[in-house]
Amino acid sequence: GAVVSQHPSRVICKSGTSVKIECRSLDFQATTMFWYRQFPKQSLMLMATSNEGSKATYEQGVEKDKFLINHASLTLSTLTVTSAHPEDSSFYICSARVTGQGGVSPLHFGNGTRLTVT
Amino acid sequence: SQKIEQNSEALNIQEGKTATLTCNYTNYSPAYLQWYRQDPGRGPVFLLLIRENEKEKRKERLKVTFDTTLKQSLFHITASQPADSATYLCALNQGGKLIFGQGTELSVKP
Repeated sequence: GAVVSQHPSRVICKSGTSVKIECRSLDFQATTMFWYRQFPKQSLMLMATSNEGSKATYEQGVEKDKFLINHASLTLSTLTVTSAHPEDSSFYICSARVTGQGGVSPLHFGNGTRLTVT
Repeated sequence: SQKIEQNSEALNIQEGKTATLTCNYTNYSPAYLQWYRQDPGRGPVFLLLIRENEKEKRKERLKVTFDTTLKQSLFHITASQPADSATYLCALNQGGKLIFGQGTELSVKP
């Protein structure tokens, strides 16, 4: 149980275009989802916390107008990278915690999206 | 400043030996600490959670210790197998969010 599906797994886009990444909790409800970014050989960097029905909370240094997050239902959060540039190329990973289990419970991760901006 | 540090050097060990990975942190007071495994091109997978009032936690061949005085957690894999080769991440809770170390790459040779 507790499966998180992330789509697409890979995307290549041209500079200046926008890309949408979907994160779905398949067999549980997730009031909160987290979006991370990972560069090669580096740690996962938390970008934002996505809250169902309300605005996302962004980490310091993350541009909210660049990385639009929408969490419209208890099973779906989307991250849209707007006007993508080559420096946005990275591995984006979403995660979710089962609603009701509190902050102690582990995160369930999607398999990530490899974004390449040409 | 707050830091979570794991062995930056890759760890290479022989099959059957015990792998020990270290996670040190500064300027955090975590109520619990988690360990995850990450394979190349995949998302992390949860392995173990240990609370601040627990000294040790075990799950099959895995053992985690948590020393809040030393601000350190050790992660052990006994009787290691080539299939254990992966990157292992420690993570601390911080205000409801999980903050990750940079991970240690483990390679188990047959």
